Amino acid sequence: DGGITQSPKYLFRKEGQNVTLSCEQNLNHDAMYWYRQDPGQGLRLIYYSQIVNDFQKGDIAEGYSVSREKKESFPLTVTSAQKNPTAFYLCASRTPGYYGYTFGSGTRLTVV
Amino acid sequence: LAKTTQPISMDSYEGQEVNITCSHNNIATNDYITWYQQFPSQGPRFIIQGYKTKVTNEVASLFIPADRKSSTLSLPRVSLSDTAVYYCLVGDIRNNNDMRFGAGTRLTVKP
Repeated sequence: DGGITQSPKYLFRKEGQNVTLSCEQNLNHDAMYWYRQDPGQGLRLIYYSQIVNDFQKGDIAEGYSVSREKKESFPLTVTSAQKNPTAFYLCASRTPGYYGYTFGSGTRLTVV
Repeated sequence: LAKTTQPISMDSYEGQEVNITCSHNNIATNDYITWYQQFPSQGPRFIIQGYKTKVTNEVASLFIPADRKSSTLSLPRVSLSDTAVYYCLVGDIRNNNDMRFGAGTRLTVKP
């Protein structure tokens, strides 16, 4: 089955550490997106990539970095510069004309 | 990008029809309207999409007036399992530009 795989499902980070969240899709979608969701809130766009080797900042990119070396993969690194990284992170993909986003199951990041 | 406005929350009872309205006054000519459903600790999933008039699928209907400045998601005969957050998105689906999710509408279905 085609879909998006996010790993790990739960992630714990010590303050001052960088962590990388994985997102892989086998849908052959061109664009991929990272969203952050805080408890009781909507989704906020962190970064998105429309094609390989290109990406754009969203509304809350500070403290995050991404890469898009392959069409299938769009990892998100949460750096130590992100002051409040505890949140639920969602990866999505989309292609023109497609009915909508396909989302992964999310990664819940907790700073300990 | 078209900004959307939805009620923050709604309550309903099992078996009732629920209508959730989304306002998008600055919708562009090429924009489509898409609704998503999100359960706790899951990613949103596509419900329905439309451009104008009425669209119906097996789970919902979408009503869009002629001026397209608003849209209404209609859920017939809701059950407890329809308790979720519902998001309205407006954007051009012909490209891969970003689309912003609003805060959504938290629907609570009571027995």
